[in-house]
Amino acid sequence: GIQVEQSPPDLILQEGANSTLRCNFSDSVNNLQWFHQNPWGQLINLFYIPSGTKQNGRLSATTVATERYSLLYISSSQTTDSGVYFCAGPYSGGGADGLTFGKGTHLIIQP
Amino acid sequence: SAVISQKPSRDICQRGTSLTIQCQVDSQVTMMFWYRQQPGQSLTLIATANQGSEATYESGFVIDKFPISRPNLTFSTLTVSNMSPEDSSIYLCSVKPLQGGNTEAFFGQGTRLTVV
Repeated sequence: GIQVEQSPPDLILQEGANSTLRCNFSDSVNNLQWFHQNPWGQLINLFYIPSGTKQNGRLSATTVATERYSLLYISSSQTTDSGVYFCAGPYSGGGADGLTFGKGTHLIIQP
Repeated sequence: SAVISQKPSRDICQRGTSLTIQCQVDSQVTMMFWYRQQPGQSLTLIATANQGSEATYESGFVIDKFPISRPNLTFSTLTVSNMSPEDSSIYLCSVKPLQGGNTEAFFGQGTRLTVV
């Protein structure tokens, strides 16, 4: 099945800094999502972005499907941005419409 | 998007017992899924909940341990049976409102289970 690799695994930044999170895929994807898991465990949708670029406030994402990677940009970080960021691609097992998740990037924004 | 309600939000259970988690969606959806997130780990797909038929389980998960029901297009349950401390995890319900793989998935708030 498809493999999803995220980098870096951990990132500590000061408030106001910018960051780039990366997601690499082992095969081409037609379904890619970015999520933010807050400290309470809730998974929040950030972007559905199988290709191209999208922006939502201080966050933006770019997926280059032909090169099998996606990037999540966070600008002017705030402490509330802390948490784990996951990217997920299509699952290739029996649950073909499910998702395969990367291991996540644990982001800590310090005041 | 879909509004997904999971109950309970958290529970502490004795080993050997069973817990049933409910997932209610505010609109009819085609696809419903259950995921597990072990402490400090990523999410893993348990099964696809099929309406009116047996769930489709992924490798490493079996019906006897994780029986799933889906009586209609807005509701599903996951039971964690004969629990052990290794079952301590966050269990999440997910839906895709539209048929097919190329659509956005949404998640409930999760059920944080601790087995003692």
